[in-house]
Amino acid sequence: KNQVEQSPQSLIILEGKNCTLQCNYTVSPFSNLRWYKQDTGRGPVSLTIMTFSENTKSNGRYTATLDADTKQSSLHITASQLSDSASYICVVSLGGFKTIFGAGTRLFVKA
Amino acid sequence: DTGVSQNPRHKITKRGQNVTFRCDPISEHNRLYWYRQTLGQGPEFLTYFQNEAQLEKSRLLSDRFSAERPKGSFSTLEIQRTEQGDSAMYLCASSPQGDGNQPQHFGDGTRLSIL
Repeated sequence: KNQVEQSPQSLIILEGKNCTLQCNYTVSPFSNLRWYKQDTGRGPVSLTIMTFSENTKSNGRYTATLDADTKQSSLHITASQLSDSASYICVVSLGGFKTIFGAGTRLFVKA
Repeated sequence: DTGVSQNPRHKITKRGQNVTFRCDPISEHNRLYWYRQTLGQGPEFLTYFQNEAQLEKSRLLSDRFSAERPKGSFSTLEIQRTEQGDSAMYLCASSPQGDGNQPQHFGDGTRLSIL
């Protein structure tokens, strides 16, 4: 069964600290893996996209990694800001329109 | 790039009523997707259009749900005889033609509440 599992479910960190969110998937075939940020009441916004041959991709303070052998990905946030408080969703594409979404990690950044 | 626009942003209706949502994708995007998202969960795929053709429908899309994209531009999602379980955020996304490695651009959704 195609699944995307994210951990932790929620996370609280202090402003300025770093954090890492995890994504494990059992999806086949694999086309790409995406990380999205979703603010409360808004639609998801794309952060990174990685294909099978890429193992790291950065977007400002966000760095995503992909290990296609172990089917794991992580999203590292550096020097967190209050505006980073959001849900972070891992999405695996099987190709074309077919995508499997994780349930997300809810991040709270406290001052 | 004006982004994906969805209307209305919020809809409150009584059980049994029909509702219709509209999505205006990014103008040059020929692919359009509808998703449903409940609290604390990731979006679930409902249906997909390439231009005006509806190429895939999820089993989640019961016969009470219908989606159209008549001219390959905006799309509508209609729910007939709404039930309380239909309460959710309905998200629309669009993407350009390509190899599938283009990001989907999401609208801010329509939040449906069934009384």
